[in-house]
Amino acid sequence: GESVGLHLPTLSVQEGDNSIINCAYSNSASDYFIWYKQESGKGPQFIIDIRSNMDKRQGQRVTVLLNKTVKHLSLQIAATQPGDSAVYFCAENRASGTYKYIFGTGTRLKVLA
Amino acid sequence: IAGITQAPTSQILAAGRRMTLRCTQDMRHNAMYWYRQDLGLGLRLIHYSNTAGTTGKGEVPDGYSVSRANTDDFPLTLASAVPSQTSVYFCASSDQGDTGELFFGEGSRLTVL
Repeated sequence: GESVGLHLPTLSVQEGDNSIINCAYSNSASDYFIWYKQESGKGPQFIIDIRSNMDKRQGQRVTVLLNKTVKHLSLQIAATQPGDSAVYFCAENRASGTYKYIFGTGTRLKVLA
Repeated sequence: IAGITQAPTSQILAAGRRMTLRCTQDMRHNAMYWYRQDLGLGLRLIHYSNTAGTTGKGEVPDGYSVSRANTDDFPLTLASAVPSQTSVYFCASSDQGDTGELFFGEGSRLTVL
């Protein structure tokens, strides 16, 4: 989801369930996308990336899906664990060679025991 | 442990004062970045550097300056701090330019009174 105003959208998920976090990007010219996880008081950490010539990429317990038609990115986390509680950001690179990643505002994931 | 080191971790500063946030990486990455993070606005790029000796402006460069005298260091200077510069600042680096993972520091929390 995308943030409106000062409040991050929050996704609450039961431990063990799957989580799906969504992100809309704005520039059809973006050709590289990253998902980051940020725990409270820490810097963002890389989770998974995907290039625009792919629709899906899987990592350990995570899958990123890219739908270029509607400019939508999603992060799926399987068997969500308490340690997955964090804010998740998507980032896009809008123009190859400019080194200018643009970040989404983030979604807070809360894992319920 | 290899990575990015930022200093100070936290600082309270009077408006009008000069402040330099330090950033050092030991991964020999070519590209380095400074972002500010504000609630509801996500990470916004202040300045970046493709390689030692070069710098560029990001989304919100006004009131900030950077230098890149060598590969490892990328200090961010606020010449005359203003309250709107109260934020959490993150330094990042990457070795693949526009299609590579960004490695982030732990952040510097700056409060300007």
